[in-house]
Amino acid sequence: DQQVKQNSPSLSVQEGRISILNCDYTNSMFDYFLWYKKYPAEGPTFLISISSIKDKNEDGRFTVFLNKSAKHLSLHIVPSQPGDSAVYFCAASVTGNQFYFGTGTSLTVIP
Amino acid sequence: DSGVTQTPKHLITATGQRVTLRCSPRSGDLSVYWYQQSLDQGLQFLIQYYNGEERAKGNILERFSAQQFPDLHSELNLSSLELGDSALYFCASRPSGNNEQFFGPGTRLTVL
Repeated sequence: DQQVKQNSPSLSVQEGRISILNCDYTNSMFDYFLWYKKYPAEGPTFLISISSIKDKNEDGRFTVFLNKSAKHLSLHIVPSQPGDSAVYFCAASVTGNQFYFGTGTSLTVIP
Repeated sequence: DSGVTQTPKHLITATGQRVTLRCSPRSGDLSVYWYQQSLDQGLQFLIQYYNGEERAKGNILERFSAQQFPDLHSELNLSSLELGDSALYFCASRPSGNNEQFFGPGTRLTVL
């Protein structure tokens, strides 16, 4: 049972434009959400997170939005850069003991 | 460099065999997590250890087992290997009081 879903396997965006990556979840008990970025042949690296008590968290070019009623979160990257091309995973956790990951969205930023 | 090390980087073995994957967490991190990533799949949580004790269990097969030693390194043992066990296996560690996990580079297991 996939509790965290990323329904878009891939996304292409022009350099300088906004990239929006989406993630849906089913478990209302999730209290922490994270985004990870993964390059080929490397492990995922942490990008940004948000607690369930917030609806927005911003870190430089990256902003995560959480809509609890819709059980939906999104990652906005503005402006997108070629170096942002990678696979992005969203993850959710209950109390930090078990993390559920989506299947990833491969982002390509076209120069 | 996340500070998490995994060995070996690659492992090729035959069906029915047993292998051990090793993970050294970041200095001071007490929590260790193991994940499996099969082709075109997300990261499937297998198991978590905290300071030597099992804390949470995910979709880990009975043929798989893990442990965390007093020096906090962890090993994932996979036995009676099947073709479908071919995957990337990631280890991650997490500092106390922080929800961010730091991932190792992974071990690519190929079962022939």
